[in-house]
Amino acid sequence: GAVVSQHPSWVICKSGTSVKIECRSLDFQATTMFWYRQFPKQSLMLMATSNEGSKATYEQGVEKDKFLINHASLTLSTLTVTSAHPEDSSFYICSARNPGGRETQYFGPGTRLLVL
Amino acid sequence: AQTVTQSQPEMSVQEAETVTLSCTYDTSENNYYLFWYKQPPSRQMILVIRQEAYKQQNATENRFSVNFQKAAKSFSLKISDSQLGDTAMYFCAFIGGNAGNMLTFGGGTRLMVKP
Repeated sequence: GAVVSQHPSWVICKSGTSVKIECRSLDFQATTMFWYRQFPKQSLMLMATSNEGSKATYEQGVEKDKFLINHASLTLSTLTVTSAHPEDSSFYICSARNPGGRETQYFGPGTRLLVL
Repeated sequence: AQTVTQSQPEMSVQEAETVTLSCTYDTSENNYYLFWYKQPPSRQMILVIRQEAYKQQNATENRFSVNFQKAAKSFSLKISDSQLGDTAMYFCAFIGGNAGNMLTFGGGTRLMVKP
């Protein structure tokens, strides 16, 4: 149990285009999901907290107009990188909190984004 | 604010031997949870073990066990009978009962298991 999927796993796009990444909890309902960014050989950096049915909460320094988050259902959150630029190239990971899992977050497999 | 510190950027161990990864944290909260996550080369984050702060007994999961010292704010991970598949980055993480459910990660320890 507690499986989180992420799609796509790997995306290459041209500078200026928008990219949508989906995060799904497959076997539980997640009122709260999280989006992280990870640079090579570094720890995870929380970008935003996604709450079902309400606006996301962004961490300091993260542009909410750049990284659009929508949590439309209890099993799906999406992150859209708008007008992507090469500096947005990174590894993006989502996680979902299982309400019955004693505050445990389960992670998706991540999405590698390369902006040319 | 909570902080999590992993003082060992890299470690190595021979296959079948035991290794301990260190983690310390700082918090003013009394109710919280601690985790160790593993990130292999695939980069999938995998939960290894978790500990509730109110429990005195150290958590164990097969070859993985923790030494939770609440007064010292220490949470080390012991891997017994190390296997090649244990090669990965290991992240210690903290979540407080009053922290809005936000995980705070340590900087990670890269573990290499040598044959």
